[in-house]
Amino acid sequence: NAGVTQTPKFQVLKTGQSMTLQCAQDMNHEYMSWYRQDPGMGLRLIHYSVGAGITDQGEVPNGYNVSRSTTEDFPLRLLSAAPSQTSVYFCASGGSRSTGELFFGEGSRLTVL
Amino acid sequence: GQNIDQPTEMTATEGAIVQINCTYQTSGFNGLFWYQQHAGEAPTFLSYNVLDGLEEKGRFSSFLSRSKGYSYLLLKELQMKDSASYLCAAQTGANNLFFGTGTRLTVIP
Repeated sequence: NAGVTQTPKFQVLKTGQSMTLQCAQDMNHEYMSWYRQDPGMGLRLIHYSVGAGITDQGEVPNGYNVSRSTTEDFPLRLLSAAPSQTSVYFCASGGSRSTGELFFGEGSRLTVL
Repeated sequence: GQNIDQPTEMTATEGAIVQINCTYQTSGFNGLFWYQQHAGEAPTFLSYNVLDGLEEKGRFSSFLSRSKGYSYLLLKELQMKDSASYLCAAQTGANNLFFGTGTRLTVIP
């Protein structure tokens, strides 16, 4: 059981470039989300989705786009990368009816020069 | 606004007991999660409290007081592998989690 799979694990971009972080889950979870983690800041919610075709903004959505065309996939797009977007990004999915526990991917470390 | 406070760092001795406190102020509170995160790895689920009281799971226990906006994570019989960051998170809506900055625990021999 693969769980939550993120790609790439590492990426270096130049300011202004665009890229997509991929996230896929095989647990048939309705809920998926993207967080970023910065030193001293904790995990902050960027965007989330409660099902295919439904997305919403989290705490820090500016500079990021998402879409949810299937239950399995939830890509995060950086349209014009900025140094402030240097961070570790985590995709998470959830669906346990008893706890709402989130399952996290291994993370994607992004550096914007 | 939303806020979660937890100590930045703690040190404890192998075999001992340590308590990590967390206070929270959030809107739409559904429950309180604790996650463990080793350096360079993803967070992993430890516990979830939705009702007041103590939840015990092996060497780990978690307590919640909704009226006080307070939780703690209790780790017993500490092992070296317990050295990690412990993240307190409030579930605020859907499955959204609002995280504290984490407590870095160092277990020493």
